[in-house]
Amino acid sequence: GQQVMQIPQYQHVQEGEDFTTYCNSSTTLSNIQWYKQRPGGHPVFLIQLVKSGEVKKQKRLTFQFGEAKKNSSLHITATQTTDVGTYFCAANFGNEKLTFGTGTRLTIIP
Amino acid sequence: DAMVIQNPRYQVTQFGKPVTLSCSQTLNHNVMYWYQQKSSQAPKLLFHYYDKDFNNEADTPDNFQSRRPNTSFCFLDIRSPGLGDAAMYLCATSRDAAAYEQYFGPGTRLTVT
Repeated sequence: GQQVMQIPQYQHVQEGEDFTTYCNSSTTLSNIQWYKQRPGGHPVFLIQLVKSGEVKKQKRLTFQFGEAKKNSSLHITATQTTDVGTYFCAANFGNEKLTFGTGTRLTIIP
Repeated sequence: DAMVIQNPRYQVTQFGKPVTLSCSQTLNHNVMYWYQQKSSQAPKLLFHYYDKDFNNEADTPDNFQSRRPNTSFCFLDIRSPGLGDAAMYLCATSRDAAAYEQYFGPGTRLTVT
């Protein structure tokens, strides 16, 4: 089946350091979405990327979609304790469904 | 506020005893999804409804069934829960196809004793 690999699985950073998580697919994607799940919470939509090479920013968060539409990244600049959680990419292969990546759990050391 | 509501938030059932989880939405979205999420894992899609059309994932066990009596409500029935079915069950909605963001409910945590 269609799979989306996400790395790293865990990331521990000092508060103020940067953080990046990567998603890769062997198949071209229609679009990719990013979700954040706080501990004990449910996934919350962050952003959607549709165009090849697209870059979007939300304050300290930068999202990129690869030129071949097979990979994506989320970069957080100067992490804060409120950034704690698991970040999932979710790939759409051209149908009604999303395939979630394995997630990257971010913990912040104050 | 428009939202996705799941009841109950916590459910304890006995091994083999049928259980039903419910989801309702005030967003008037066409698509409703049921996901299973186990600890430290990604949400796993069980099935979804596009309006009244039911779409089952190939690897969803027959033990799991779903009903969508109207646009607002969707139910997940587990006919004979096993210990391996203990998980968080997340309901989500989407305005139309997956080109639109999904709105998740708070989830129901199922414990099987």
